[in-house]
Amino acid sequence: EVQLVESGGVVVQPGGSLRLSCAASGFTFDDYAMHWVRQAPGKGLEWVSLISWDGGSTYYADSVKGRFTISRDNSKNSLYLQMNSLRAEDTALYYCAKGQVPAATMGAFDIWGQGTMVTVSS
Amino acid sequence: DIQMTQSPSSLSASVGDRVTITCQASQDISNYLNWYQQKPGKAPKLLIYDASNLETGVPSRFSGSGSGTDFTFTISSLQPEDIATYYCQQYDNLPPYSFGQGTKLEIK
Repeated sequence: EVQLVESGGVVVQPGGSLRLSCAASGFTFDDYAMHWVRQAPGKGLEWVSLISWDGGSTYYADSVKGRFTISRDNSKNSLYLQMNSLRAEDTALYYCAKGQVPAATMGAFDIWGQGTMVTVSS
Repeated sequence: DIQMTQSPSSLSASVGDRVTITCQASQDISNYLNWYQQKPGKAPKLLIYDASNLETGVPSRFSGSGSGTDFTFTISSLQPEDIATYYCQQYDNLPPYSFGQGTKLEIK
């Protein structure tokens, strides 16, 4: 079964740091780009970051650029999001999602995890 | 950055109705447009990719059309299990791959 499982979400103080993880299974992880997408409580979806299949290219939303870092370990079938200088507006459910097309950064997100909740509050 | 304007923001319809949601891009995105369904408390699910292609396993009552800047998502005959929020998303060229604001669909 193709599956993505996020972890690492907690309550953290403003200015703090956190690393989210996403464990992939059921597909050839290193063939696909991966994304992080977040959803603030009661709000819509916001694309956060993208990493290419080989980790060689990364992209970020302006709202997180310079504070968040996406990475992957293809030997462990895992995706990460290092989050620094956290703000209240980063409070959201964070999803990891798989790119649909092998070896491409463009395309739909065809598999999503269940999400992990990050709350930034003092 | 490309902005996506989705309408309506909410919609109430009866079982069996034809439902249409529109999405407009702030610039030409060819057919680089996807549609997702999100049920309460669940992760989004891909329904339509590249504007008009039905994802495997998705019922044929769902369809999409359009190109350039104007896109349409249609449910031909609304079913009770279709109650959800629907999002369009563009992926033209480089990121950010922005989403529309969402359309919350309810049963009348």
